[in-house]
Amino acid sequence: SAVISQKPSRDICQRGTSLTIQCQVDSQVTMMFWYRQQPGQSLTLIATANQGSEATYESGFVIDKFPISRPNLTFSTLTVSNMSPEDSSIYLCSVAREQGRYEKLFFGSGTQLSVL
Amino acid sequence: KQEVTQIPAALSVPEGENLVLNCSFTDSAIYNLQWFRQDPGKGLTSLLLIQSSQREQTSGRLNASLDKSSGRSTLYIAASQPGDSATYLCAVTNAGNNRKLIWGLGTSLAVNP
Repeated sequence: SAVISQKPSRDICQRGTSLTIQCQVDSQVTMMFWYRQQPGQSLTLIATANQGSEATYESGFVIDKFPISRPNLTFSTLTVSNMSPEDSSIYLCSVAREQGRYEKLFFGSGTQLSVL
Repeated sequence: KQEVTQIPAALSVPEGENLVLNCSFTDSAIYNLQWFRQDPGKGLTSLLLIQSSQREQTSGRLNASLDKSSGRSTLYIAASQPGDSATYLCAVTNAGNNRKLIWGLGTSLAVNP
């Protein structure tokens, strides 16, 4: 298994400000994933963060809005920039870890973001 | 385009009942299917992973089945307990792309003492 520490667990922010979410993993992983879970919607992958290279963003997500850092193999940050109420959501980081023959996903506890 | 649907959206049962959660997907060309549990404030926990070549996986009181040809999976929970109350999510990984999961909306389960 993997232990993932994500913070903050929740925050209430003002429109136009930015929030940086941190994700720390207990051991080295190649890729880290950032998801968004909007109210009443399924999880959506924002981007995949590789150490030493730029993150790969999914359709509908751009680096200017969601800049990601990956300074080493155990840590990543996601920033939600210039926030609006539409950004209110749960944000989750995730890693894949081999278990036996297969890979399983492990998640942080999530960040509940409310934008006023 | 792969779409994942979970039925029912919500379920409330008395403690001790056996129950079945359903997941369907539109494209049968999948690499694997996973069931997760989501508790408020605790993120997601992987429950069971079924590879495309497998028919079922079991863990304790949980049993997940996969019928790839019909695009269906079920999560069976035996002798439900109040601690099973959570949202259960189904996600598939399409064949050829081992990283991106397509998620259902989940089934919110309440087990009443």
